[in-house]
Amino acid sequence: DQQVKQNSPSLSVQEGRISILNCDYTNSMFDYFLWYKKYPAEGPTFLISISSIKDKNEDGRFTVFLNKSAKHLSLHIVPSQPGDSAVYFCAATTNTGTASKLTFGTGTRLQVTL
Amino acid sequence: NAGVMQNPRHLVRRRGQEARLRCSPMKGHSHVYWYRQLPEEGLKFMVYLQKENIIDESGMPKERFSAEFPKEGPSILRIQQVVRGDSAAYFCASSPPSRGGTEAFFGQGTRLTVV
Repeated sequence: DQQVKQNSPSLSVQEGRISILNCDYTNSMFDYFLWYKKYPAEGPTFLISISSIKDKNEDGRFTVFLNKSAKHLSLHIVPSQPGDSAVYFCAATTNTGTASKLTFGTGTRLQVTL
Repeated sequence: NAGVMQNPRHLVRRRGQEARLRCSPMKGHSHVYWYRQLPEEGLKFMVYLQKENIIDESGMPKERFSAEFPKEGPSILRIQQVVRGDSAAYFCASSPPSRGGTEAFFGQGTRLTVV
């Protein structure tokens, strides 16, 4: 049962353009969402997060949008740079107590071309 | 401040042997999580530990897998009698006690290959 889904396994975008990565979830209990970036042979690196009480969070070139009614979130990267080429994982959690476990999507491989 | 340290980076084991994966959390972090990534899949939660306690092991296979986080020393993920299907990348993450697990920091992973 895949509770967090990233339906696009790969995405190719030209340098300078906007990259939009999508993520859907099925568990209504999720109330905190994160994006991680992963290079080959390295661990995931935290990128940006959003709480369910918000619909947008922005950090530099990265913006995450959350549509709770649609159970959908997206990561926008603008402008895209070649160094952004990596696998991006969407993750979700129920932020109860002092700690929580993350449920990850299967990832989207972003290729930013020159 | 060193990041989350995992060793070894690569581990090759024959079927039936034991695999021990080590994780030293970031300084000041008392929460440790283990995740497994099978080829072409996302990371799957395995277990969450605090010092000397297993808090949530709902993602751990019922047999052959165990984890500990002793008072002193690194967290250990142990896989007994490994099988080919255990071949995967195993990632450890840590977080400080006050922040919870939401922005956990990951190590570089241990790639286990069972031959």
